[in-house]
Amino acid sequence: AQKVTQAQTEISVVEKEDVTLDCVYETRDTTYYLFWYKQPPSGELVFLIRRNSFDEQNEISGRYSWNFQKSTSSFNFTITASQVVDSAVYFCALNNAGNMLTFGGGTRLMVKP
Amino acid sequence: GAVVSQHPSRVICKSGTSVKIECRSLDFQATTMFWYRQFPKQSLMLMATSNEGSKATYEQGVEKDKFLINHASLTLSTLTVTSAHPEDSSFYICSAQGGRNTEAFFGQGTRLTVV
Repeated sequence: AQKVTQAQTEISVVEKEDVTLDCVYETRDTTYYLFWYKQPPSGELVFLIRRNSFDEQNEISGRYSWNFQKSTSSFNFTITASQVVDSAVYFCALNNAGNMLTFGGGTRLMVKP
Repeated sequence: GAVVSQHPSRVICKSGTSVKIECRSLDFQATTMFWYRQFPKQSLMLMATSNEGSKATYEQGVEKDKFLINHASLTLSTLTVTSAHPEDSSFYICSAQGGRNTEAFFGQGTRLTVV
């Protein structure tokens, strides 16, 4: 069975602070994909990143960066110099060959001005 | 990225009526579509997987006679909530994939309120 755990249910930071959202996953598959999605108050899911299990290179995209550590089954997400517009719920998700996404519980990020 | 359109974005209906939600992939053919349900302040829970031209596969605990899914073409899947009750009020969101292990694109979601 697959499982995704986002231990932080809510995080509150002040604008310009860096913040890291944790994600730990469980799967028996050797091939799998990890995702991060952003869900603003409007509700739609915004795709942020997809990473396959064979690619452990960390990735940076603007203020966003991701740290994939297969040894600890973690796929953490860092926002540098956070902004108020980053306030949203962030979901980490796992997808195996079956294609269905298993979502973590989500982390609500509040960035205060 | 690819576009998935979900309609309506909000619907309010009376208890006992049925509501149909559409999910369309606008610029790609979706061999598989997924329907999720999200209660307030909770995560997304998969309800069913629908493959074009075949019956949907429902997750445990999801009533297939209550949540009718049709995936008649490669660009359209529909979810019909039959005989809706207030406890069916939720946020329903679909996703579509063009092929195995490809990225899933999500619709905008439908907020259903049953009064």
